[in-house]
Amino acid sequence: KQEVTQIPAALSVPEGENLVLNCSFTDSAIYNLQWFRQDPGKGLTSLLLIQSSQREQTSGRLNASLDKSSGRSTLYIAASQPGDSATYLCAVLSLWDGNNRLAFGKGNQVVVIP
Amino acid sequence: NAGVTQTPKFQVLKTGQSMTLQCAQDMNHEYMSWYRQDPGMGLRLIHYSVGAGITDQGEVPNGYNVSRSTTEDFPLRLLSAAPSQTSVYFCASWTGVTGELFFGEGSRLTVL
Repeated sequence: KQEVTQIPAALSVPEGENLVLNCSFTDSAIYNLQWFRQDPGKGLTSLLLIQSSQREQTSGRLNASLDKSSGRSTLYIAASQPGDSATYLCAVLSLWDGNNRLAFGKGNQVVVIP
Repeated sequence: NAGVTQTPKFQVLKTGQSMTLQCAQDMNHEYMSWYRQDPGMGLRLIHYSVGAGITDQGEVPNGYNVSRSTTEDFPLRLLSAAPSQTSVYFCASWTGVTGELFFGEGSRLTVL
């Protein structure tokens, strides 16, 4: 069974610092990995999708890397802003018994201090 | 594109009442699933479907029923609501081609 871990559960950084969020998974045979953002009381917004054949994806200030052999993905947010305060979740899609299976981390709750 | 549409967004029930949370997607995705999200527990899978007519249980299926008569729709039924079912429910869909996951906006359910 795929287990996904996001540590730390919560972190605070001063505005302008770079954010580094980690997502670890136990089974390296993944199909893809997707990062989401969730604001309090809101739904999940997709940030980046990395296919298993890719090493990284970039969108604006966001960069996500994938290292299947070590079972890790890193979400990097450059020059953090108070608007980046949110919970960030990673989702790992694997193939199991011929079907897709999703596993989620519990999220990194981020506060960017002005 | 509408994506994944969930209704209602908010609902208050009394213990023992029944209701259905609706989920529809217009992307012709074969995979659909229902999750509940509770503080400190993360997203937990209730039921999922790999195509029309095929459903299976997730990790917390008790108290919930599903059916998938069409590719587009995947309703979640609460037959006799209990306070333990107070939660935020998310519907998700994806295709096995890209594996990109799409979520609905969520349904916040309170059972008194």
